[in-house]
Amino acid sequence: GESVGLHLPTLSVQEGDNSIINCAYSNSASDYFIWYKQESGKGPQFIIDIRSNMDKRQGQRVTVLLNKTVKHLSLQIAATQPGDSAVYFCAENIRSSASKIIFGSGTRLSIRP
Amino acid sequence: SAVISQKPSRDICQRGTSLTIQCQVDSQVTMMFWYRQQPGQSLTLIATANQGSEATYESGFVIDKFPISRPNLTFSTLTVSNMSPEDSSIYLCSGTTAANTGELFFGEGSRLTVL
Repeated sequence: GESVGLHLPTLSVQEGDNSIINCAYSNSASDYFIWYKQESGKGPQFIIDIRSNMDKRQGQRVTVLLNKTVKHLSLQIAATQPGDSAVYFCAENIRSSASKIIFGSGTRLSIRP
Repeated sequence: SAVISQKPSRDICQRGTSLTIQCQVDSQVTMMFWYRQQPGQSLTLIATANQGSEATYESGFVIDKFPISRPNLTFSTLTVSNMSPEDSSIYLCSGTTAANTGELFFGEGSRLTVL
């Protein structure tokens, strides 16, 4: 079935470097994509979203890129900090399915001092 | 934004018993969802909790196993019935404050261990 998935299950990054987390999606009906951050023992927290009529959106230290041609989504974190250590999930909102959010498989980001 | 509280935060349960998880939101939400997150895995949507009517279940989840109530806009319950060790998981309540938005707010989750 259609699903959202990730290329890299784990990512280790030097503190201060930029992090790039990738995600592939296959549902052509998806028109809204979201990145969530989940710290240990907590529920996921919204980071940033992007609609399908955009290819880039920036937040504070984070940028989301959407390539609809190859159905690829990425999250870029600038100047990675120890507090960025978490599991990151991409998710899609399938509007044809009453706005439910489907999560991808997740990438664990660890920061090297 | 919305603050979502769940209880219990964790419990250890015996096989064959049932447990009800409560979810309280501090403001009105339009949509409420229940997810399951098994150890080291992603979140799987169980169902959409509909106010005053039967929940909408995803493939693989049935009402007899996971009965859900939502009597008003700020409260919902999920029951895990006739539990087995395979039901050991984190159960997460979530909600959105506006329709058709991806900004889901999550509770801290309820970690269930079934012996």
